[in-house]
Amino acid sequence: GQQVMQIPQYQHVQEGEDFTTYCNSSTTLSNIQWYKQRPGGHPVFLIQLVKSGEVKKQKRLTFQFGEAKKNSSLHITATQTTDVGTYFCAVANAGGTSYGKLTFGQGTILTVHP
Amino acid sequence: GAGVSQSPSNKVTEKGKDVELRCDPISGHTALYWYRQSLGQGLEFLIYFQGNSAPDKSGLPSDRFSAERTGGSVSTLTIQRTQQEDSAVYLCASRSGFRNTIYFGEGSWLTVV
Repeated sequence: GQQVMQIPQYQHVQEGEDFTTYCNSSTTLSNIQWYKQRPGGHPVFLIQLVKSGEVKKQKRLTFQFGEAKKNSSLHITATQTTDVGTYFCAVANAGGTSYGKLTFGQGTILTVHP
Repeated sequence: GAGVSQSPSNKVTEKGKDVELRCDPISGHTALYWYRQSLGQGLEFLIYFQGNSAPDKSGLPSDRFSAERTGGSVSTLTIQRTQQEDSAVYLCASRSGFRNTIYFGEGSWLTVV
């Protein structure tokens, strides 16, 4: 199955600073998804990227899919304490019409200091 | 239902006992996933059901773990002869169709003592 490496493992920022987490794969990905998990909570779907070079924005969050579809990033501008949590990327083993299992990156734990 | 429902939310069991964890997916969702998450760790894939197809069991860590999905809806994850290393949050998720959003339940927190 497809694997992704996610970095960094931890990120501590002051409120107002920017934050970026990256996912990288050695193989071409058909799609990539991003999830946020608050402390003590369950993962919540944020977005899915499927096109080469795709960029999507959700308020202060910017998601990018690389041109070669081997990497992706999530960037948060001017972090707030509500951004605290673990951010995961995930890839589906999609082949033809089969979505397949979803494999998650290791996650980046974001801490925001007020 | 409104979301993915899991039960029990918390379970403490003695080593060697069997446990059953239940997942009730969102009505109409054809795909169902089970994941395991140890404290502070990532999500470990266990098993994936898609419609009437044979499930992808490639993530089950040992033959003590099994899962079934009856009638294409409710799923039960069974862990036999539990060990302390089985202690984790077991998360269920469901999806309605190809490339659609995946929704997670709140999880079942399992502690083996």
